[in-house]
Amino acid sequence: GENVEQHPSTLSVQEGDSAVIKCTYSDSASNYFPWYKQELGKGPQLIIDIRSNVGEKKDQRIAVTLNKTAKHFSLHITETQPEDSAVYFCAASINAGKSTFGDGTTLTVKP
Amino acid sequence: SAVISQKPSRDICQRGTSLTIQCQVDSQVTMMFWYRQQPGQSLTLIATANQGSEATYESGFVIDKFPISRPNLTFSTLTVSNMSPEDSSIYLCSVRGPSGGLTDTQYFGPGTRLTVL
Repeated sequence: GENVEQHPSTLSVQEGDSAVIKCTYSDSASNYFPWYKQELGKGPQLIIDIRSNVGEKKDQRIAVTLNKTAKHFSLHITETQPEDSAVYFCAASINAGKSTFGDGTTLTVKP
Repeated sequence: SAVISQKPSRDICQRGTSLTIQCQVDSQVTMMFWYRQQPGQSLTLIATANQGSEATYESGFVIDKFPISRPNLTFSTLTVSNMSPEDSSIYLCSVRGPSGGLTDTQYFGPGTRLTVL
């Protein structure tokens, strides 16, 4: 089955700096790669996703890149703010079906 | 996007009892899933809830422990049976939507935080 590895497990940045979280996947059939933000006591919230026919996608301060050949994808957050502090999960699936998740990255943005 | 509600939002239960969690979606969706998130951990898929038929369980999860129902395209229940403290987790309902097509995405409900004493 699919295996997703996520790095780093914790990330601390100064407000205004950029943050990058990386994930690798094992199943070449996976074609849908979402990123979720989970705040304490809440369910995961979809923040951005990318499909295998696209190499990069951007939404304001958030961007995701995908390298299908190397089977890795990354989340980039620019101009970080304290409210970006949360746990971020990457996932991989086929056509947004059942997903395999990475272990999560705890991002702390220091004011 | 799909709006998902879960009931209850949290509960504290005694070992040996059972709890049924409800998941309601505001629109018809093709696929519904149940995930478990143990404290400080990632999300693990329990099963895919199939409308009108038995759920499809992942390795390590069985129907006797986690019976699932999905009577229609907007509603599902997960029961955690004969609970033990190891079942203390957040249980999350998830859906694939909105249309069943290639642009679908996956959304999560707010979760049910279960503590078993």
